[in-house]
Amino acid sequence: DQQVKQNSPSLSVQEGRISILNCDYTNSMFDYFLWYKKYPAEGPTFLISISSIKDKNEDGRFTVFLNKSAKHLSLHIVPSQPGDSAVYFCAASAGNKLVFGAGTILRVKS
Amino acid sequence: DAGVTQSPTHLIKTRGQQVTLRCSPKSGHDTVSWYQQALGQGPQFIFQYYEEEERQRGNFPDRFSGHQFPNYSSELNVNALLLGDSALYLCASSTFTFGLAWAQYFGPGTRLTVT
Repeated sequence: DQQVKQNSPSLSVQEGRISILNCDYTNSMFDYFLWYKKYPAEGPTFLISISSIKDKNEDGRFTVFLNKSAKHLSLHIVPSQPGDSAVYFCAASAGNKLVFGAGTILRVKS
Repeated sequence: DAGVTQSPTHLIKTRGQQVTLRCSPKSGHDTVSWYQQALGQGPQFIFQYYEEEERQRGNFPDRFSGHQFPNYSSELNVNALLLGDSALYLCASSTFTFGLAWAQYFGPGTRLTVT
């Protein structure tokens, strides 16, 4: 059962514009949500997290929004930069283990 | 401040063999989790170690086992390797203190190829 889903395999955005990556989940018991960025041949790098009791968290160019009623979260990157091109994983915490989506490839064109 | 380190970087094994992967957590972290990432998929949770004990386990067979040492480093052992075990194996560290075991930082991974 896929409890965390990233339905867009890829996204292409122009440099300077907003990138919006989406994630849906089914388990209402998840208590934290995280976004990771992954370059080829490297491990996932932690970007930003949000507690299930919040609806927004912001860190520089990155903002995560959580809509609990829709069981949906999104990551906004503004402005997008070519160095942001990577695979982005959404993850949810259930009893200290992380459940990951399949990832979205973001390409930022200059 | 050294981050999470893993060894070896790459490994090629034959079906039926056994393999041991190693992980050193980030300084100040006491909890180690292991994940398997197959091509085109997200990481899948294998198990988590804290205080030298397996605290949680994902949906993996008993061929996958682990160990945590007093210095918090950890090993992942896989016995009777199958072709389907070929994947990137990721180690993540965190701290159980203050309920932060979910805030996991990943190492670069070990790429295992089974032929």
